[in-house]
Amino acid sequence: NAGVMQNPRHLVRRRGQEARLRCSPMKGHSHVYWYRQLPEEGLKFMVYLQKENIIDESGMPKERFSAEFPKEGPSILRIQQVVRGDSAAYFCASSPREGSSYNEQFFGPGTRLTVL
Amino acid sequence: QKEVEQNSGPLSVPEGAIASLNCTYSDRGSQSFFWYRQYSGKSPELIMFIYSNGDKEDGRFTAQLNKASQYVSLLIRDSQPSDSATYLCAVTPTGNQFYFGTGTSLTVIP
Repeated sequence: NAGVMQNPRHLVRRRGQEARLRCSPMKGHSHVYWYRQLPEEGLKFMVYLQKENIIDESGMPKERFSAEFPKEGPSILRIQQVVRGDSAAYFCASSPREGSSYNEQFFGPGTRLTVL
Repeated sequence: QKEVEQNSGPLSVPEGAIASLNCTYSDRGSQSFFWYRQYSGKSPELIMFIYSNGDKEDGRFTAQLNKASQYVSLLIRDSQPSDSATYLCAVTPTGNQFYFGTGTSLTVIP
């Protein structure tokens, strides 16, 4: 039973380029959360998605960042025109949102983004 | 004021002792509370969740919740060196947004 998968695990971009981070939730999970973790800081909630719907994007920067979770395929977090301050670990988590495990989240291995 | 606050530590305990980790939160409407363990360079791993006031035990771990005091704690009994990690407290009011503390670094000394 595969866990949450994220790719790439490491991504290097130059300032101004685009970064695309992908997340495949656990089998049977249709709810995905994206978080950003800066060095020595906690996880910061960015966005919560269900299939084809953005439920809560209150943690997402208003510019350059977008997320989607299409009917088929992984969830994608897109960062346009990256800047050095975007360098961080980006984690995806999935949840079943049903039964006693209603709010449990299971994290992927993360994507470490480095902006040169 | 941060939504979730934890002492950053480091907290050091000898092997076999009880480690006590604490967390306070600001949103009185919070409904669900979680403890995650994160090893350096790795992703968070869920240890326990608790929804109701009181204690919840799972093996060597006990989560304690006091909603009136807006306080949640994690006790680790018979601490092992492998428990050395950063422990993250997480809170959600609605299940849509999750607020994490910055974590407490725990070191268990053999």
